[in-house]
Amino acid sequence: KQEVTQIPAALSVPEGENLVLNCSFTDSAIYNLQWFRQDPGKGLTSLLLIQSSQREQTSGRLNASLDKSSGRSTLYIAASQPGDSATYLCAVNSSGNTGKLIFGQGTTLQVKP
Amino acid sequence: DAMVIQNPRYQVTQFGKPVTLSCSQTLNHNVMYWYQQKSSQAPKLLFHYYDKDFNNEADTPDNFQSRRPNTSFCFLDIRSPGLGDAAMYLCATSRGGGQETQYFGPGTRLLVL
Repeated sequence: KQEVTQIPAALSVPEGENLVLNCSFTDSAIYNLQWFRQDPGKGLTSLLLIQSSQREQTSGRLNASLDKSSGRSTLYIAASQPGDSATYLCAVNSSGNTGKLIFGQGTTLQVKP
Repeated sequence: DAMVIQNPRYQVTQFGKPVTLSCSQTLNHNVMYWYQQKSSQAPKLLFHYYDKDFNNEADTPDNFQSRRPNTSFCFLDIRSPGLGDAAMYLCATSRGGGQETQYFGPGTRLLVL
């Protein structure tokens, strides 16, 4: 049974810092991994999708990496800003066509001005 | 432009009183998902439709039902809400095939009195 873990559960950094969020999964047989952002009381916004054959994806100040063999993914945020404050969730698709996602519990990030 | 729309955004119901949550999409996606997210927890898949095919998760209570009358709309029916059903309910869509991004709506927060 696939399990997804995110560490740390919460993180507070000063504005401008580069930071890394971690995600680990127990079953390396995945189709893809997706990172989401969730603001309080809101839905999820997709940030990056990494297919199983890919090692990393980049979008602006965000870079996500995937190491299937070790069951790990990281989300790197460069030059953090107060507007980056949110909960970041990683989710793994191990089910192929159904696209069923197994989520981690998220890392709540606070970027202080 | 809203792509996945959920109504209402907030729903208050009484213990045991049936309630229906609505989701619509303008993406013409084949797959629609319903997730339940309790406070400070990871979203958990309840069920999904691939076109007209309904796929229930093994641990989804019988109290939860779903309907998809056409491609654009999908409904979540809670037949007899209990206090433990208070949560954020998230609708998501994807094209299908398992390799694509899932797009989430803003969610409906359900309160059971």
